[in-house]
Amino acid sequence: DGGITQSPKYLFRKEGQNVTLSCEQNLNHDAMYWYRQDPGQGLRLIYYSQIVNDFQKGDIAEGYSVSREKKESFPLTVTSAQKNPTAFYLCASSRRDAQETQYFGPGTRLLVL
Amino acid sequence: KNQVEQSPQSLIILEGKNCTLQCNYTVSPFSNLRWYKQDTGRGPVSLTIMTFSENTKSNGRYTATLDADTKQSSLHITASQLSDSASYICVVLTGGGNKLTFGTGTQLKVEL
Repeated sequence: DGGITQSPKYLFRKEGQNVTLSCEQNLNHDAMYWYRQDPGQGLRLIYYSQIVNDFQKGDIAEGYSVSREKKESFPLTVTSAQKNPTAFYLCASSRRDAQETQYFGPGTRLLVL
Repeated sequence: KNQVEQSPQSLIILEGKNCTLQCNYTVSPFSNLRWYKQDTGRGPVSLTIMTFSENTKSNGRYTATLDADTKQSSLHITASQLSDSASYICVVLTGGGNKLTFGTGTQLKVEL
């Protein structure tokens, strides 16, 4: 069963806490992406990676960090520096780069306690 | 500034009826345009992807059109079903890079 998985489905963050969102794909895709979705807004790119051990900042990278130690995995950490983290977070992958179709995971909803 | 505008913002139609969603963009240079369907609380699913040279592309009951001269695209849904209720998102890729610009979506509700 190929695809992209994200966990957890819901995540609660306390003040000053760092939390990590998981994203795994078994599509053998090179490129992976993290987006943030807020009501009434289009998806905004946080970070993307086109190859293992390399990643680039997107439009709203402040307060977030990522790693790409394995081709299949692209975890996103929401740090305490992100003052408004409540949102729906979507991970995506594509075969080589953004020229090709992106396949999205089911998303993680992050809420602040 | 690259922008993608979709209309209408929301739409309610009866099951079995057709509808057309609009997407206007100011992205330059243009590379390709995609339509995605996003069910509530789920990730978007790709419907079509069209390059500059493609005018029409179909995926089952979904037909997308592209007019690169006027920078407009439409998504036509034929014989709507309850399962078509979702947000439909237009996305444009800027040529020469990996920059995607997302529209805010059209929320479609299909009722009995």
